[in-house]
Amino acid sequence: QKEVEQNSGPLSVPEGAIASLNCTYSDRGSQSFFWYRQYSGKSPELIMFIYSNGDKEDGRFTAQLNKASQYVSLLIRDSQPSDSATYLCAARPGTYKYIFGTGTRLKVLA
Amino acid sequence: KAGVTQTPRYLIKTRGQQVTLSCSPISGHRSVSWYQQTPGQGLQFLFEYFSETQRNKGNFPGRFSGRQFSNSRSEMNVSTLELGDSALYLCASSLGGSGFEKLFFGSGTQLSVL
Repeated sequence: QKEVEQNSGPLSVPEGAIASLNCTYSDRGSQSFFWYRQYSGKSPELIMFIYSNGDKEDGRFTAQLNKASQYVSLLIRDSQPSDSATYLCAARPGTYKYIFGTGTRLKVLA
Repeated sequence: KAGVTQTPRYLIKTRGQQVTLSCSPISGHRSVSWYQQTPGQGLQFLFEYFSETQRNKGNFPGRFSGRQFSNSRSEMNVSTLELGDSALYLCASSLGGSGFEKLFFGSGTQLSVL
């Protein structure tokens, strides 16, 4: 079992819709969680991080964390074609390393 | 502020050779970590350095090694290259604390082993 699991997709949503990306993790010692966006041929860039149960909003992005269910999600409201990318979920088990999922490829259809 | 710089951008090697990759972190960042990215496995953690000390390492064979210099620049070495080592190698820097650290990635080195 992978430590951080994501559906590889592609997840296709129409422009203007809400995209919902999900991630589960196995290490209950993980304290913080990150969402990175990676465009094709580019390096990952941080979108959001979350460490408390509940929701955290930043513009069109909302990260959700449920530690009891070991579940992290990222919602993208009013999706745009420019949001089309691979989204990587990462957990930090507190030992100076990050565990990444394999990523979910999002396609926003114009 | 300059970002994370990785050199070279591309490398082509043959099986059995060795290779050294370089990473210069963002100024003030003392932690450098290395990741291997392949289409099937995603981003896999290799090792992390802070103040010239390796603090953690992933599950890679001993052929993969690294070091960090006093100016926080880091190098990664792969000896006796295998075809399966073909991948994008990403370096990331951060301040190096134990809190809610954000990683900043370089553009990566694309290694092809023939």
